[in-house]
Amino acid sequence: QSALTQPASVSGSPGQSITISCTGTNSDVGGYNYVSWYQQHPGKAPKLMIYEVTNRPSGVSHRFSGSKSGNTASLTISGLQPEDEADYYCASYTTTTTPWVFGGGTKLTVL
Amino acid sequence: QVQLVQSGAEVKKPGSSVKVSCKASGYTFSSYSISWVRQAPGQGLEWMGGIIPRFGTTNYAQKFQGRVTITADESTTTTYMELSSLRSEDTAIYYCARLKTWWFDPWGQGTLVTVSS
Repeated sequence: QSALTQPASVSGSPGQSITISCTGTNSDVGGYNYVSWYQQHPGKAPKLMIYEVTNRPSGVSHRFSGSKSGNTASLTISGLQPEDEADYYCASYTTTTTPWVFGGGTKLTVL
Repeated sequence: QVQLVQSGAEVKKPGSSVKVSCKASGYTFSSYSISWVRQAPGQGLEWMGGIIPRFGTTNYAQKFQGRVTITADESTTTTYMELSSLRSEDTAIYYCARLKTWWFDPWGQGTLVTVSS
């Protein structure tokens, strides 16, 4: 069982917006602004999309944005494109038994 | 550009050990921690442990304590992850990733380790 809770799947049509949630506790998501998001296409390595809750690395589309409220972080993708179809994982620093925890992953389908 | 290149796929017998390498380039190797993360077939990501090359300091997830050893060679800018007492449940893709302050970037291409008799 993953420490952070994500929906198993979300879907949207091209041009629409979707949001993926990532729920933790005060020991991780809620306690620190150290949430990051990763995109993983089939057979590929994860790719950083968002770091420190809201920051977008150079080269990542402005259509990707992050936010946080309490113990839940969110990744929003606006203007969905077919190439956005992938698995998305959140990660957070944590003060529990291990310093890093991941979400279970969310499969995004672009209809 | 910053790059992590991992060693090739391995097939191992139950009870044996595997050692996977991760060669870094494009940045000052000693300045950043390297973590190892695994992904079982069809499953999510799981942090296993990490090392700060400059000090050789390691930190392991409790689940892998006693079975995993992470080392770093500054002369070759290479990090190694050795997992012992392999069982079928260890079949997974193993990734190395640079820990840049509070996020993982970039990631290696992954190494498939298959444990089968």
